[in-house]
Amino acid sequence: GAVVSQHPSWVICKSGTSVKIECRSLDFQATTMFWYRQFPKQSLMLMATSNEGSKATYEQGVEKDKFLINHASLTLSTLTVTSAHPEDSSFYICSATAGTSYNEQFFGPGTRLTVL
Amino acid sequence: AQSVAQPEDQVNVAEGNPLTVKCTYSVSGNPYLFWYVQYPNRGLQFLLKYITGDNLVKGSYGFEAEFNKSQTSFHLKKPSALVSDSALYFCAVRPTNDYKLSFGAGTTVTVRA
Repeated sequence: GAVVSQHPSWVICKSGTSVKIECRSLDFQATTMFWYRQFPKQSLMLMATSNEGSKATYEQGVEKDKFLINHASLTLSTLTVTSAHPEDSSFYICSATAGTSYNEQFFGPGTRLTVL
Repeated sequence: AQSVAQPEDQVNVAEGNPLTVKCTYSVSGNPYLFWYVQYPNRGLQFLLKYITGDNLVKGSYGFEAEFNKSQTSFHLKKPSALVSDSALYFCAVRPTNDYKLSFGAGTTVTVRA
């Protein structure tokens, strides 16, 4: 099956710094990638949708200047949490889909971000 | 707008017994329905999906789900649960004309030996 990787798997940073999370589709070309945020024992909340070569579409309430998304190639999307604060601590999960049918999203293993 | 309800926060069963995780949905038009499983500190693993066709869908690890349009349900089932099935299960839905998935709140399954 299709494999999506994320790097790093966990990161601890100081308040005020920026953190970049990578999402890669390893064996397929991902026309669309999605970024989710998950709080402990809660469901996934879609943050934004990114299409290769175009600007990301952010969900209501998600600060686009806070969470910078770049989808520079068909196999790589990055999420940068700028000027991170403790309330940004969360589990960030990306997913990717190929083609236009969007029948199935393939999820990465997630990145645990802890902001001190 | 679409939504998913997983009415049970937790399901506890003994190993070898049948396992059912409930899911109901609301969506405009025909739905695409999915089940995912999540182990601690891991991403989501795909179990199965309903797109069209047979209402009974068979998926990974012996799981199956039945699409019931009149009851707008898509319950996940396994005839004989294993301790290794203990995890967090998410039901998700999207309409056929939109790419966004809506997830249920999740159901924690605990299978005791």
